Amino acid sequence: QSVLTQPPSVSGAPGQRVTISCTGSSSNIGAGYDVHWYQQLPGTAPKLLIYGNNNRPSGVPDRFSGSKSGTSASLAITGLQADDEADYYCQSYDSNLNWVFGEGTKLTVL
Amino acid sequence: EVQLLESGGGLVQPGGSLRLSCSASGFTFSTYAMSWVRQAPGKGLEWVSVISGDGGTTFYADSVKGRFTVSRDNSKNTLYLQMSSLRAEDTAIYYCAKMNGRSRPYWNYDYWGQGTLVTVSS
Repeated sequence: QSVLTQPPSVSGAPGQRVTISCTGSSSNIGAGYDVHWYQQLPGTAPKLLIYGNNNRPSGVPDRFSGSKSGTSASLAITGLQADDEADYYCQSYDSNLNWVFGEGTKLTVL
Repeated sequence: EVQLLESGGGLVQPGGSLRLSCSASGFTFSTYAMSWVRQAPGKGLEWVSVISGDGGTTFYADSVKGRFTVSRDNSKNTLYLQMSSLRAEDTAIYYCAKMNGRSRPYWNYDYWGQGTLVTVSS
C-alpha cells in the first residue's frame, strides 16, 4: 500500500473533463515536495506528463494540467479523447521513504 | 534524442542472481542521476534504486536493500543493477529512468527505457 493514495479508476465520455486525485501526508506532498504525473499507455513504459506540480514537458497537450494544495494534488484532463485511456501515476518524495509513487488510476474513456 | 535501452532480463531461480544493464544516449550521462523502477505484473510502479551522476551516492528501497547493487560506468554511458538472492516477489518489468530536477527531493523521471522482464521462478 502506497503512501500516496489514488482512486483505482475513473471514467468519462469523450470531450468531458476528468480529475484524478493524489492524497499524501505531511511527510511528502504536505512537506512541500513537488508532485509529478506519469501516463502509462497499455503495454508501454510510463511517460512524464506533468512535472513540478503543474508544468508540462514539451509535446504534452495543454488538455493536461496539474495542481497541488496542502497534502493533495490533482491531475485534470479536459476534452477527453479515446487515446487518453491509460494508467496514471502520481509521484513525489517522502522524508522517510525517498521517492514514492501512487498506486495508479486506470482511466476509461466511455 | 534521449534513448535508454535495458538488457539482461530473463528467467532465474529463487536465490539466484542477475545483472541488468541500461545503455544511455542523447544526453550527458554523467550529469544526471539515474534510477531503476520496477512494475510487477498487473501492479503499480515501485522505485528500486537511485544513483547520483558521479556514482558516489546510492539509494535503495527497503524491499531490495542488501540484495541489489546499483552502479554506473560513465565512460560507457551505462547503468547497472546487480540483483542477488532473488525472490518470487522480485518478478517484474525493470525500467531504467533518467532523473531530472533542481535537487534530490524534487527529482522526477523524465525519460524511461522500454523495460526488461525479470522472472523469478523454479
